[in-house]
Amino acid sequence: DTGVTQSPTHLIKTRGQQVTLRCSPISGHKSVSWYQQVLGQGPQFIFQYYEKEERGRGNFPDRFSARQFPNYSSELNVNALLLGDSALYLCASSLRDRAGYEQYFGPGTRLTVT
Amino acid sequence: RKEVEQDPGPFNVPEGATVAFNCTYSNSASQSFFWYRQDCRKEPKLLMSVYSSGNEDGRFTAQLNRASQYISLLIRDSKLSDSATYLCVVNGELTGGGNKLTFGTGTQLKVEL
Repeated sequence: DTGVTQSPTHLIKTRGQQVTLRCSPISGHKSVSWYQQVLGQGPQFIFQYYEKEERGRGNFPDRFSARQFPNYSSELNVNALLLGDSALYLCASSLRDRAGYEQYFGPGTRLTVT
Repeated sequence: RKEVEQDPGPFNVPEGATVAFNCTYSNSASQSFFWYRQDCRKEPKLLMSVYSSGNEDGRFTAQLNRASQYISLLIRDSKLSDSATYLCVVNGELTGGGNKLTFGTGTQLKVEL
């Protein structure tokens, strides 16, 4: 079985640019969540999507947006990049959007903003 | 106060040792609990879910004390391959109906010869 896939694996952008990160969940999983992990910290919740609807949003500015497609894949967009957006962006998939369902992470996209 | 608190370590232990990690969480409404393992510059991998009755998976034992809002992980007979960062994770439902994982900062384990 294919696990969660993310693209690209690495990305270098300059301040002010925009970036789009992509995620494909495990087959059969309908929920996708996005997390940001900066060095030395645990991942921080950004968004959750289920059946193409936003189900939750973390404490991130409006520069961060996301969407989910009919095939349950998802994109995370970040506008007007800041140096502080440099991080590992992780996508996690689960069967449902309810607590108790295990979330499985993709390999992440490492974003560097210069 | 952080939502999930862990001792960051590092814990340096010899191969074959038993090591215990502890974690506390602040939200008493939290509904499910997990331990994830993260290797350097890799994604977190689910190690095990944690239940009130306690659960064991081979050399790993997890315990949950809801009254004390305390979670533990015990690793017996440590292997070199157990060297990693162990993340304590709490799952709670959001007002919109979804749920989110809240992570501790992780405890680093180094198993040495």
